[in-house]
Amino acid sequence: AQKVTQAQTEISVVEKEDVTLDCVYETRDTTYYLFWYKQPPSGELVFLIRRNSFDEQNEISGRYSWNFQKSTSSFNFTITASQVVDSAVYFCALKGGSNYKLTFGKGTLLTVNP
Amino acid sequence: GAGVSQSPSNKVTEKGKDVELRCDPISGHTALYWYRQSLGQGLEFLIYFQGNSAPDKSGLPSDRFSAERTGGSVSTLTIQRTQQEDSAVYLCASSRGPGYSNQPQHFGDGTRLSIL
Repeated sequence: AQKVTQAQTEISVVEKEDVTLDCVYETRDTTYYLFWYKQPPSGELVFLIRRNSFDEQNEISGRYSWNFQKSTSSFNFTITASQVVDSAVYFCALKGGSNYKLTFGKGTLLTVNP
Repeated sequence: GAGVSQSPSNKVTEKGKDVELRCDPISGHTALYWYRQSLGQGLEFLIYFQGNSAPDKSGLPSDRFSAERTGGSVSTLTIQRTQQEDSAVYLCASSRGPGYSNQPQHFGDGTRLSIL
């Protein structure tokens, strides 16, 4: 069985603060893929990043960075210098290598206040 | 358009009626998925299509739910004899290549279904 846990239900920050969204996953697959999606108030789920289980290299893209650690089964997402437009629900998702479906966490509602 | 297109964007219907939800995937994407998003259950997988066949229907909640895909493109999700617990946002996604690959799934805006 696959499971994704996003322990933070809601986070509220002031603009320009850094914020980290936590994600912990469980899977028995040796090959798997991890994703982060953003869902703004408009409703569309927007793909942000994918990580393969065999690639633990962390990445920085502009104000976004990701920290993937297999040893702790975590795939955390950091926004540096947050902006009001970052306000959204962020979902972490897992797909096993032999599976088709995404297993989503419950999501973290991020509110960035001006 | 370039993205996944879903229609209608909103649907309100009476309990017991049948509804059809439509999804037009990104051109060239062979894999298509339906998910349901509700407050209580979060995001749940419903069904996966590769081409016109559905190798995985494991998420369909009851036999009132069915889906088809024609021409390797448009898909329709049908809910018969709707119940109030069917109220949710129904999301369609598509991806390049087979579903078990690492290709990301790209989602449409969803259809918000309300059962009175």
